Amino acid sequence: GQNIDQPTEMTATEGAIVQINCTYQTSGFNGLFWYQQHAGEAPTFLSYNVLDGLEEKGRFSSFLSRSKGYSYLLLKELQMKDSASYLCAVRDTGGSYIPTFGRGTSLIVHP
Amino acid sequence: ETGVTQTPRHLVMGMTNKKSLKCEQHLGHNAMYWYKQSAKKPLELMFVYNFKEQTENNSVPSRFSPECPNSSHLFLHLHTLQPEDSALYLCASSHRDNEQFFGPGTRLTVL
Repeated sequence: GQNIDQPTEMTATEGAIVQINCTYQTSGFNGLFWYQQHAGEAPTFLSYNVLDGLEEKGRFSSFLSRSKGYSYLLLKELQMKDSASYLCAVRDTGGSYIPTFGRGTSLIVHP
Repeated sequence: ETGVTQTPRHLVMGMTNKKSLKCEQHLGHNAMYWYKQSAKKPLELMFVYNFKEQTENNSVPSRFSPECPNSSHLFLHLHTLQPEDSALYLCASSHRDNEQFFGPGTRLTVL
């Protein structure tokens, strides 16, 4: 299995940049997902990393370092609507292709 | 709209009741999942179906009984639940090992 750690809560200001970290321990890494979940809504897919480096998608970017067991989600030009929970999920090579989710980071964006 | 629908959105039931949760996906995916989401805890995988066959049962108590009549529909039958089963129950689907698409969930309260 995996041990996934991410901060419980973060706050940031509208227009700023915020970085949400995720560290993991796994016997065989096979991909990392980031999802966004607004209160009372479904989690929605944001990004997938399986190789080291930065993946950019508009205002959101995700970074992976497999050697360090570390990923981050970078949100630029924060908007109020970015207030949500951000879930990190890690998949290993242990046979099941299904990722294990972390507890999620609740991001509060204030004016 | 993620292409995954769930009904009902809210459910209150007594410990002796029997109820069912329904999930439907319109995405042509071959895999469907049930997750339990409780406050302050990671998403917990309950059941997985691939091409209508159950491939994972994550040590879920028998008071939860899944049913997958075809690749587009998934049910979770509930009976003699406990108050600690109160949570958000999320359904998801995916095409093989790609990202998962989640439904909005059923908020379940067991009295």
